[in-house]
Amino acid sequence: NAGVTQTPKFQVLKTGQSMTLQCAQDMNHEYMSWYRQDPGMGLRLIHYSVGAGITDQGEVPNGYNVSRSTTEDFPLRLLSAAPSQTSVYFCASRRAQGARWTDTQYFGPGTRLTVL
Amino acid sequence: DAKTTQPPSMDCAEGRAANLPCNHSTISGNEYVYWYRQIHSQGPQYIIHGLKNNETNEMASLIITEDRKSSTLILPHATLRDTAVYYCIVRVAAGGTSYGKLTFGQGTILTVHP
Repeated sequence: NAGVTQTPKFQVLKTGQSMTLQCAQDMNHEYMSWYRQDPGMGLRLIHYSVGAGITDQGEVPNGYNVSRSTTEDFPLRLLSAAPSQTSVYFCASRRAQGARWTDTQYFGPGTRLTVL
Repeated sequence: DAKTTQPPSMDCAEGRAANLPCNHSTISGNEYVYWYRQIHSQGPQYIIHGLKNNETNEMASLIITEDRKSSTLILPHATLRDTAVYYCIVRVAAGGTSYGKLTFGQGTILTVHP
């Protein structure tokens, strides 16, 4: 299994541009989520999904959209990039339920985004 | 989710045991203690979790005090590759009303030196 993959690894945008960060997992996990990590801060939840067609907001959803048309993919869209969105973005997935040892979140390698 | 308190940094000599403490004095009865780590420039990685009994896996051991107000993550033979930020997180287990959001605090920066 490839686990959780994210593309691109690096991206530079100009203020006002839009783009989509891609996230895919091949573990058939029901739950997927997006976090951002800023210097000196922990990860903050942006959006999450508990299954195909179901999404919800996390702590810092403003400026981002998500959709979940398949179990495997969970793209994050920046509608109009702002310098405040400069960050490292991590996608994560996990099983919805199961034995306690499956309650593990798997993270992708991250996308480093700079907005000028 | 209960708040956790960790020391900001710790050092450990290579080959020795690294003992990382975590205080979670407001933990509820249905909340588990989770440990993740983040090696520089990588995504967080799950290490271990437990409810009240001590737990061990191929990566580490987790010791939880009897009153569950604190715990210790033990890396038995630390290597240079264990240098990372270690996060102690308390939350309900999968299947609860919580989606399973992980609330990452500042964590402990563990530096393993030769």
